[in-house]
This record gives sequence, C-alpha cells and structure tokens, in this order.
Amino acid sequence: DAGVIQSPRHEVTEMGQEVTLRCKPISGHDYLFWYRQTMMRGLELLIYFNNNVPIDDSGMPEDRFSAKMPNASFSTLKIQPSEPRDSAVYFCASSYTTGELFFGEGSRLTVL
Amino acid sequence: GQNIDQPTEMTATEGAIVQINCTYQTSGFNGLFWYQQHAGEAPTFLSYNVLDGLEEKGRFSSFLSRSKGYSYLLLKELQMKDSASYLCAVRSNAGKSTFGDGTTLTVKP
Repeated sequence: DAGVIQSPRHEVTEMGQEVTLRCKPISGHDYLFWYRQTMMRGLELLIYFNNNVPIDDSGMPEDRFSAKMPNASFSTLKIQPSEPRDSAVYFCASSYTTGELFFGEGSRLTVL
Repeated sequence: GQNIDQPTEMTATEGAIVQINCTYQTSGFNGLFWYQQHAGEAPTFLSYNVLDGLEEKGRFSSFLSRSKGYSYLLLKELQMKDSASYLCAVRSNAGKSTFGDGTTLTVKP
C-alpha cells in the first residue's frame, strides 16, 4: 500500500495568497483527519471526516480555513487568504474505523 | 472535550528503562494510542490500549487505567535511535483523535 499521500511537500507563499493542500488517504479507510503542527501549539486537530462527511470542524481556526472531501480517495484543506501565522506543518491522517492513525509525510507551509 | 497531559522533556541513558506518563480527561473514551515522532518526520503508531492493563510489543509496553485516566509508555533497553517525541492520543466514541503536546525523549550514551 502506498500509504497516505500529501501534496505539496513544501509550499512557500506570500501573505494574502490562496493555499490548497491535498491528501489521498489509504484505500478502505473511513476516517480522515487534518492536523496542524507547530512548536508552540503541538499537533492540533483541525477537522475530521467519517465516510466523507465532516464530523467536527471546531478546530478550524477561522473562516479563512475550509476543508472538503468530495470522495473517499481525496481531501483538500484550503487557506484563503493566507497569513504568516498559518506557517506550520499540516498533516493528513487516515484510519480504518477507530484504529490507529496513519499519517502522510506532511506539507510544510511557509507564509511570508 | 479532551484534556491530555504529558511531561515536556525526559532524558535517559542508553540501555536503561524509561517511563513516559500520560493523564487524560475525556468524554466517550474509545482507546488510548502512543505514537513516536522523529524530528522532521510524521508520527508513527507504537501502541494501543482500550482495556485496563499492560500491552507489550517488544521493547515497548503501554499501560492503561481507565478509572484513573492514566497511561504510561515503557521503553526498555534504550537505544540512541529512540530519541524522539512520544505522543499520547485519546480516541473518542465519535472517532475524534486528540493528541497531547508530546514528550521529547533524549537518550544519552
């Protein structure tokens, strides 16, 4: 199995630009999670889906952040407009039922 | 909600044993997980407890007491490669997975 696939691995953008992060979960997994990791705040849950339906988006910082899961094999996390404080590593993870999470390699975002 | 506490940093000597504690408060508990994260990499699964007691996997063991909201990860025969961050995570009945801030373990020769 290819594992969870995230793109891009690195993104450098300027404040105000739109950023789209992509994730392909492991085939057959029914849960998908988006996390953000910084030194100051650790690994924060932003949103998670079950069977493509958003279950809890209470961790999404504000309206600038949105996430979609149009089908079982693809999800996006969008930031518009981006700000320097959004700089972080964004992880996507998937699981089969309530088992362990499998993480992608992460997308390192730098907003200048 | 879920509140998870674990020590920020620990140091141990190669070949020794180290115990990393985790306490949690949660509604709708459905399992406690331990993950390892090396610097610059993604977290990877180590161990899982849903019932009280000890789970052993080679050099790693994890213990859970649901009544006390307490878990620990035990690492035996420490190796230099065990230097990493260890994350405690609680899974709820709704499937939500919340992580503690992690414990950075440094193994010294």
